[in-house]
Amino acid sequence: GAVVSQHPSRVICKSGTSVKIECRSLDFQATTMFWYRQFPKQSLMLMATSNEGSKATYEQGVEKDKFLINHASLTLSTLTVTSAHPEDSSFYICRARDYLYNEQFFGPGTRLTVL
Amino acid sequence: AQTVTQSQPEMSVQEAETVTLSCTYDTSESDYYLFWYKQPPSRQMILVIRQEAYKQQNATENRFSVNFQKAAKSFSLKISDSQLGDAAMYFCAYRTHNNDMRFGAGTRLTVKP
Repeated sequence: GAVVSQHPSRVICKSGTSVKIECRSLDFQATTMFWYRQFPKQSLMLMATSNEGSKATYEQGVEKDKFLINHASLTLSTLTVTSAHPEDSSFYICRARDYLYNEQFFGPGTRLTVL
Repeated sequence: AQTVTQSQPEMSVQEAETVTLSCTYDTSESDYYLFWYKQPPSRQMILVIRQEAYKQQNATENRFSVNFQKAAKSFSLKISDSQLGDAAMYFCAYRTHNNDMRFGAGTRLTVKP
């Protein structure tokens, strides 16, 4: 089946630094990718929707200048957490849409810890 | 806006027994998709079962089946012959044709040996 990868799987950074998380569709073209954040023991909350070649659409309450999303190719979307703070510590999951078959696949997630 | 409600934060079932997880949703759409995802401790989201709203027949995948009541906007998951490996968080999800997907709060399922 289709596979979506995320890199890194786990990252620890210092407060004030920026962290980039990659989401790749390995065997299909993903015209649309979705980024979610999941706090411990909570559900997945949609942060933004990114379409290849255009600006991301952010959900209400999500700071677009803090969570930079780039979807420069049909197989790669990146989420950059800028000037990270401890409250940004969370599990970040991407979901990719297979353009041809309109199926959706989740990445394995990235655990971000900001010290 | 669409909302998904899972009213059972935790459920427990004896191994080999049957358990039903509840889910209700709110929408004004007539055509949409419903899903149940399993999230084990690894936190990888695993698709358990899906249902297209236009289909009246309830979806079934081996030991997993759903009871889809469109008029009542209810979408429950039944797990038969529960196994220890079924223990996980289960999320009910709703997806529109524009691919917007929303999740319920989740139900933590414990399977007792």
